[in-house]
Amino acid sequence: DQQVKQNSPSLSVQEGRISILNCDYTNSMFDYFLWYKKYPAEGPTFLISISSIKDKNEDGRFTVFLNKSAKHLSLHIVPSQPGDSAVYFCAARGTSYDKVIFGPGTSLSVIP
Amino acid sequence: ETGVTQSPTHLIKTRGQQVTLRCSSQSGHNTVSWYQQALGQGPQFIFQYYREEENGRGNFPPRFSGLQFPNYSSELNVNALELDDSALYLCASSQRTGGTEAFFGQGTRLTVV
Repeated sequence: DQQVKQNSPSLSVQEGRISILNCDYTNSMFDYFLWYKKYPAEGPTFLISISSIKDKNEDGRFTVFLNKSAKHLSLHIVPSQPGDSAVYFCAARGTSYDKVIFGPGTSLSVIP
Repeated sequence: ETGVTQSPTHLIKTRGQQVTLRCSSQSGHNTVSWYQQALGQGPQFIFQYYREEENGRGNFPPRFSGLQFPNYSSELNVNALELDDSALYLCASSQRTGGTEAFFGQGTRLTVV
């Protein structure tokens, strides 16, 4: 039973365009959401997060949108750069500082 | 800059053997979580340690066990290895009360043959 879903295993985008990565979750108890980026042979690196009390959080080129009623969040990267090519994991956790549940990841390729 | 280090980076073991993986937390972090990442999947939560006590466990059998030491470093032990235990094992450290995000190490690639 996958509580965090990323239905697109891969995405290709031209350099300079917008990348949109989507994530859906099923557990309404989740109240904090995170995006991690992973390069080959490295551990995941924290990118950006959003609390359930917000619907948008922005950090430079990265913006995360949360639609609680739809149990959906998305990560926008504008403009996309070749160095953004990596696997992106959506993750979620509950109110306590306990386990973080990860989605299966989306592999983003930014084409120069 | 994460500061989380894991050892070894790669390991090959035989089915039935036991393995110990190690993790050194980032300075100032008091919580360590361990994850298993199989090929093509996202990291799966194994368990978390806070102040040397297990604080939450995922859907893993008891042959997966761990320790956290007073300096907040940690070990993951797996007994009676099975072929399906082959995966990347990730350690993540965080500061529980500070609300900081978890920082991951580079992982240990375990292959069971």
